[in-house]
Amino acid sequence: QSALTQPASVSGSPGQPITISCTGTSSDVGSYNLVSWYQQHPGKAPRLMIHEVNMRPSGISYRFSGSKSGNTASLTISGLQAEDEADYYCTSFAGSRGLVFGGGTKLTVL
Amino acid sequence: QVLLEQSGAEVKKPGASVRVSCKASGYTFNTYGISWARQAPGQGLEWLGWAIPYSGTSDIAQRFQARVTLTTDTSTNTAYMELRNLRSDDTAVYFCARSTTNCLGCWFDPWGQGTLVTVSS
Repeated sequence: QSALTQPASVSGSPGQPITISCTGTSSDVGSYNLVSWYQQHPGKAPRLMIHEVNMRPSGISYRFSGSKSGNTASLTISGLQAEDEADYYCTSFAGSRGLVFGGGTKLTVL
Repeated sequence: QVLLEQSGAEVKKPGASVRVSCKASGYTFNTYGISWARQAPGQGLEWLGWAIPYSGTSDIAQRFQARVTLTTDTSTNTAYMELRNLRSDDTAVYFCARSTTNCLGCWFDPWGQGTLVTVSS
């Protein structure tokens, strides 16, 4: 069982926005602004999409954004595109426990 | 171009050890950390630990502390992950990723291509 809770799956139509949640506790997500999001296509390595809650690395589309409220972080993808279909994982620093991952969310573009 | 190139797939018997390498290029190896994570077949990601090349130190996730050693070789810009006393549930793809040296959880970017370790009798 993963430390952070994500929905197993979300779906949306091209052009629509979707949001993936990542719920932790006051010992991880709630205490640190160190939440990252990774995209993983089948058989590939993860790719950094968002770091430190809402920072977008160079080369990542503006359609990807992150936020946090309390113990829950969120990844929003606006204007869904076919190539966004992938698995998404959140992570958070968790103090003495180190780094914890969410269980992953499969995004399907309808 | 920053690149992390990992060693090839391994097949090991229960009780054996495995060492996975991760060769870095395209950046100054000493100024970043290297983190390790694994992904069992069809499962999510799990953090193993991270190593800091310039200090030679490492921090291992508690559940792996007895079986995992992380090392780095600054002369070859290569990081290593050794996992001992292998069990069948250690079968997974093992990834390395570049990280900061002073902020675990800030980011991992980029990731290596992954190394499949299969544990089977």
